[in-house]
Amino acid sequence: LAKTTQPISMDSYEGQEVNITCSHNNIATNDYITWYQQFPSQGPRFIIQGYKTKVTNEVASLFIPADRKSSTLSLPRVSLSDTAVYYCLVGDRLGGTASKLTFGTGTRLQVTL
Amino acid sequence: DVKVTQSSRYLVKRTGEKVFLECVQDMDHENMFWYRQDPGLGLRLIYFSYDVKMKEKGDIPEGYSVSREKKERFSLILESASTNQTSMYLCATQGPGTNEKLFFGSGTQLSVL
Repeated sequence: LAKTTQPISMDSYEGQEVNITCSHNNIATNDYITWYQQFPSQGPRFIIQGYKTKVTNEVASLFIPADRKSSTLSLPRVSLSDTAVYYCLVGDRLGGTASKLTFGTGTRLQVTL
Repeated sequence: DVKVTQSSRYLVKRTGEKVFLECVQDMDHENMFWYRQDPGLGLRLIYFSYDVKMKEKGDIPEGYSVSREKKERFSLILESASTNQTSMYLCATQGPGTNEKLFFGSGTQLSVL
């Protein structure tokens, strides 16, 4: 089972870069790493996904080392609106057409002025 | 955009009642998931389905069952609700391919008294 481990919480000031690391020691060869953001009273929403090295989109960057046993979500210049819970997700393939997608406990990011 | 609709935003039931939570998606996605979310525990997978009438157990299936008679609808059933099933329930869908991102509904906050 590709279990993930993240810090429970992080604090940041507005304008800083925030890096959240996720450990997934048992990641399988075909698994992708996906990050989600969740605001209170809403379902999680997709931020970024990667397989190896570095991926960047308009919201964040994702860094994945060669051994793929961890990944780091990087949020550049956070604002108050980035205060949310961030989840790292790794697929757990069962050999069928769907993966058993297991979330970790998430990282609660608090951004202040 | 993908629309994932959960039938109720808030639901209050009594211990022992049979409870149905409905989830409907409009994107013809094969894979659908039910999670529950509790403070400090993140999202935990209850059941998922990769096709009509097909289902797989997640990490915490005890006390729950599911039904997928049509592709667009995935129902979570609590046969005899108990107070420890008070939780936020989130439905998600996933498009073709096992690495496609998840789309979540807004959730149903269920209280069992």
